[in-house]
Amino acid sequence: EAQVTQNPRYLITVTGKKLTVTCSQNMNHEYMSWYRQDPGLGLRQIYYSMNVEVTDKGDVPEGYKVSRKEKRNFPLILESPSPNQTSLYFCASSLSRGDGNTIYFGEGSWLTVV
Amino acid sequence: GQQVMQIPQYQHVQEGEDFTTYCNSSTTLSNIQWYKQRPGGHPVFLIQLVKSGEVKKQKRLTFQFGEAKKNSSLHITATQTTDVGTYFCAPGAGNNRKLIWGLGTSLAVNP
Repeated sequence: EAQVTQNPRYLITVTGKKLTVTCSQNMNHEYMSWYRQDPGLGLRQIYYSMNVEVTDKGDVPEGYKVSRKEKRNFPLILESPSPNQTSLYFCASSLSRGDGNTIYFGEGSWLTVV
Repeated sequence: GQQVMQIPQYQHVQEGEDFTTYCNSSTTLSNIQWYKQRPGGHPVFLIQLVKSGEVKKQKRLTFQFGEAKKNSSLHITATQTTDVGTYFCAPGAGNNRKLIWGLGTSLAVNP
C-alpha cells in the first residue's frame, strides 16, 4: 500500500530539547516536503527536497533542519524547539516537484512544546 | 510565490443543502488540485483540473476550472455529514514554481 509514514504521531516536549520527526515513503518519490498547519494559516511549507542530498527552504524554515540521505526518508529536526513551534506537522511526497503530481500526506504529527 | 484566495473560510449548512467553495488566483494557473482534510485527518487528493473551462464530477462533487484558468470551484450537491472537513485548493503555477496553498474552506454539516 502506498503510504507516507511519520513518527511520532503525538509528542509533548520541553523547550530546547532536540527532537526529530521521522518520515518515510514507499512510493520511490523524488519530491518530499514538510508542512506545518496552524489555525487560520493553512498549510505552510517548511522545507522540501527534490531528491537525495537536495534540500531547500520553504516558506517557514526558521528553527528547523532537514536531511535527505536516502530517497525514502526525510526527517524533520528541531534543534531547540520553542513554544511557537507547537503545531500539526505533515510530511508529504510526490513523484516530482512538477505541477500535476498528486501529493501524498502522512497522517500528521501533533507537536506540543512547553 | 503563487497565491490563491479561497472563499468562504467557513460554511455551515444543513444536511441536504448545496455547498460551493471558490479558489481565486490573480495570475493564470497551469493546473489546480483539490484536497479534502477530514477533522483530525490529513489532506487527501480529490482531483486535478488542467484545461480551461474543464468540469469534472465525482458523484455529488463537481469541480470546475475557469476559462481564464485563474479560478476554480468545488460544488457539493445535497451535502451529507460525510462531507464534513476542510477543502483545500492547491494551484500549479507551471515551471516548478512554488505553490502556495489556499487557506481552505471548512465545511460543517448539521444532520
